[in-house]
Amino acid sequence: EVQLVESGGGVIQPGGSLRLSCAASGFTVSSNYMSWVRQPPGKGLEWVSVIYSDGTTHYADSVKGRFTISRDNSKNTLYLQMNSLTAEDAAVYYCARGERGSGSNYWGQGTLVTVSS
Amino acid sequence: DIQLTQSPSFLSASVGDRVTITCRTSQGIGSYLAWYQQKPGKAPKLLIYTASTLQSGVPSTFSGSGSGTEFTLTISSLQPEDFATYYCQQLHSYPITFGQGTRLEIK
Repeated sequence: EVQLVESGGGVIQPGGSLRLSCAASGFTVSSNYMSWVRQPPGKGLEWVSVIYSDGTTHYADSVKGRFTISRDNSKNTLYLQMNSLTAEDAAVYYCARGERGSGSNYWGQGTLVTVSS
Repeated sequence: DIQLTQSPSFLSASVGDRVTITCRTSQGIGSYLAWYQQKPGKAPKLLIYTASTLQSGVPSTFSGSGSGTEFTLTISSLQPEDFATYYCQQLHSYPITFGQGTRLEIK
């Protein structure tokens, strides 16, 4: 059974850093198209980043240069390193597995990031 | 960036109704469009991909159509569990973008 479990969210001060993790089971992260999508409280979905099986990455303009997507094959885990956080980054962050061009059919439960002093 | 505009943003309907949600894109995206359903406090659920392909396990009351810049999601007969928020997503080019959402509520 495919499962994705996010962790690492919490309360962080503006300007701070946080690393989110997404532990996968039932499939191999490194062989799949993996994404991060976020949702500010009460608002819509915003795509954040993707990593392909060949290691190619893409980012939303709003996070480019501040966020880094990566994976640890030995732990079968996806990561999102978030630096220079602002209030606009506060959201529930979801990791998802999908197919390029076809959307994401497996999602985690999400982890909440709150940016506040 | 490709902008997605969903209409309507809010829809009130009754069980058994047929409803249609439209997603218009600012540039042509072929058939690289997906539809999701999201319920409060839950992750999105993929319903339709490549504009018209029904995701495995999704009821056949859901259907998608369109190509280019105009797409539709149709629910042929609303069930109580269908009341949720629906999002379209373009996967043609980066950055990937979502529509603003359509909230479907019980009349």
